Amino acid sequence: SQQGEEDPQALSIQEGENATMNCSYKTSINNLQWYRQNSGRGLVHLILIRSNEREKHSGRLRVTLDTSKKSSSLLITASRAADTASYFCATAWDGYNKLIFGAGTRLAVHP
Amino acid sequence: DTEVTQTPKHLVMGMTNKKSLKCEQHMGHRAMYWYKQKAKKPPELMFVYSYEKLSINESVPSRFSPECPNSSLLNLHLHALQPEDSALYLCASSLDGRNEQFFGPGTRLTVL
Repeated sequence: SQQGEEDPQALSIQEGENATMNCSYKTSINNLQWYRQNSGRGLVHLILIRSNEREKHSGRLRVTLDTSKKSSSLLITASRAADTASYFCATAWDGYNKLIFGAGTRLAVHP
Repeated sequence: DTEVTQTPKHLVMGMTNKKSLKCEQHMGHRAMYWYKQKAKKPPELMFVYSYEKLSINESVPSRFSPECPNSSLLNLHLHALQPEDSALYLCASSLDGRNEQFFGPGTRLTVL
């Protein structure tokens, strides 16, 4: 069963715009992670945010976590065509080893 | 070396074949994972090895048999698969299961 749900399912923007993706989950977590996947390839880890953290930044990426609402958001600022990919949130619980992925958001950034 | 490698990249097999997928990492990670991913779906966890011992089996059919010969290698043995098993099989590793996972490029499996 899926732990995380994401919205929107698909997002289409122009280069230079910001992209925001949201993730909701159902149970308590140890940490929440965001991954990117280019078409048909392996996943690339973007950011890990622990349950006692509220916000994290990495370059053009900003992740927030609200454990009271069981939700997280990923903001990509000043998007580029190379950011076109699927983005997944994944929650870690059950002794940390188990990652459950959300359905993903397909982002298309047009030049 | 900061990558996870998987071989083969593509595999086509019949339902009576026996084949193996291989995964290797040299980052000193002690947790290794197999995931299955269907088109336009998220990865689904199949198995977790922690310190070379199977710690999680997500009720995967016995036609999939994992093996962890040592801390750097992870195999997935396939036997009598069904066409619905066609998917991208991803291997990942993590330092100790408490941190981010590093994924390989995957093996695209087609079962005829």
